[in-house]
Amino acid sequence: QQPVQSPQAVILREGEDAVINCSSSKALYSVHWYRQKHGEAPVFLMILLKGGEQKGHEKISASFNEKKQQSSLYLTASQLSYSGTYFCGTEIKGNTPLVFGKGTRLSVIA
Amino acid sequence: GAVVSQHPSRVICKSGTSVKIECRSLDFQATTMFWYRQFPKQSLMLMATSNEGSKATYEQGVEKDKFLINHASLTLSTLTVTSAHPEDSSFYICSAQRGTSRTTDTQYFGPGTRLTVL
Repeated sequence: QQPVQSPQAVILREGEDAVINCSSSKALYSVHWYRQKHGEAPVFLMILLKGGEQKGHEKISASFNEKKQQSSLYLTASQLSYSGTYFCGTEIKGNTPLVFGKGTRLSVIA
Repeated sequence: GAVVSQHPSRVICKSGTSVKIECRSLDFQATTMFWYRQFPKQSLMLMATSNEGSKATYEQGVEKDKFLINHASLTLSTLTVTSAHPEDSSFYICSAQRGTSRTTDTQYFGPGTRLTVL
């Protein structure tokens, strides 16, 4: 079952913050976040496994809610290099194929 | 480290011909490789999973006779689109991981191959 990402697209000015959500109607086993720049390969950002988990660093971090049905990616003080499409990939059970959301296109402008 | 390459990056072929796409892990051994298809502004759709030395596992709806996958070594997997038709035109991306766990092993993606079938 494909997770739902929101928003579909967002435009930010440098220095602004953004939140990208990834939601599922069922509890998830794990959430993987990737960023893909136009014409390039998706790049792994982080994985979350535990309900209530938060990880990442100051600028890019993510959380996984207690029910394990929603993950949010936080982009703080955005930079031009943050532009790209962000995908979440989810597992319903361990060691099963990742199902990716449709992506959130983030554009950071000067 | 963890670089994955794909070749070719772009290919245009005539309808009815076959096209082979290579996926290589350049600086690590990939026990598992994945093949995805991505339509414009759409998500990554998993086509198949291949483990070195064994037959690929195809996702539901993917024709195994049309999309032949070979994972002959720990650094190379190939996808052959046989008797290609215009509807097969797409962006094909491979990924590779060191181990076999989809949960904890990071997938490293290749840069993709743009296939256009005329």
